[in-house]
Amino acid sequence: DAGVTQSPTHLIKTRGQQVTLRCSPKSGHDTVSWYQQALGQGPQFIFQYYEEEERQRGNFPDRFSGHQFPNYSSELNVNALLLGDSALYLCASSLPPNNEQYFGPGTRLTVT
Amino acid sequence: RKEVEQDPGPFNVPEGATVAFNCTYSNSASQSFFWYRQDCRKEPKLLMSVYSSGNEDGRFTAQLNRASQYISLLIRDSKLSDSATYLCVVRDRGNDYKLSFGAGTTVTVRA
Repeated sequence: DAGVTQSPTHLIKTRGQQVTLRCSPKSGHDTVSWYQQALGQGPQFIFQYYEEEERQRGNFPDRFSGHQFPNYSSELNVNALLLGDSALYLCASSLPPNNEQYFGPGTRLTVT
Repeated sequence: RKEVEQDPGPFNVPEGATVAFNCTYSNSASQSFFWYRQDCRKEPKLLMSVYSSGNEDGRFTAQLNRASQYISLLIRDSKLSDSATYLCVVRDRGNDYKLSFGAGTTVTVRA
């Protein structure tokens, strides 16, 4: 049973560029959440997708957007990258009613 | 004020020792509480849920104090493999979507 997978593993971008990160949920899960974890901090909630809609959003600017596909996989897009966007981006999948969130290995984004 | 605050440590303890640490949360409406473990440069993994009556899972004991809004984790008979960052996590009542994480408490167990 495959767990949550994310791609790419690492990414280096330049300020002002755009980036797309991808996530495939654990088999049978229909809900995907995205988190940003800066160095030395805990993960911060970006948003959650369910039934291809953004269900809830954390305190992140509109530069952060996402999408969920009919097969429940998801993308996180970040436009106009800033140095402060450098972080580990974690995807977590879950399935109601338990809602326990299983995390993928993350994508480490470095903005130079 | 941060939603979840933790003592960052680090706690540096010898094998076999007992180590305990707390976290506090700001929202009295918080409903669900968890401890996650995160190894260096890896993803967080659920260690245990925390129940009002307190609960134990092997060498790990979690306690919840709703009146004072804090959660604790105690590790007995520490093993080298317990070295990790422990993240305190809270989910608010009526909000099944978002997990709020503390910044983590680092524990290093030495031989």
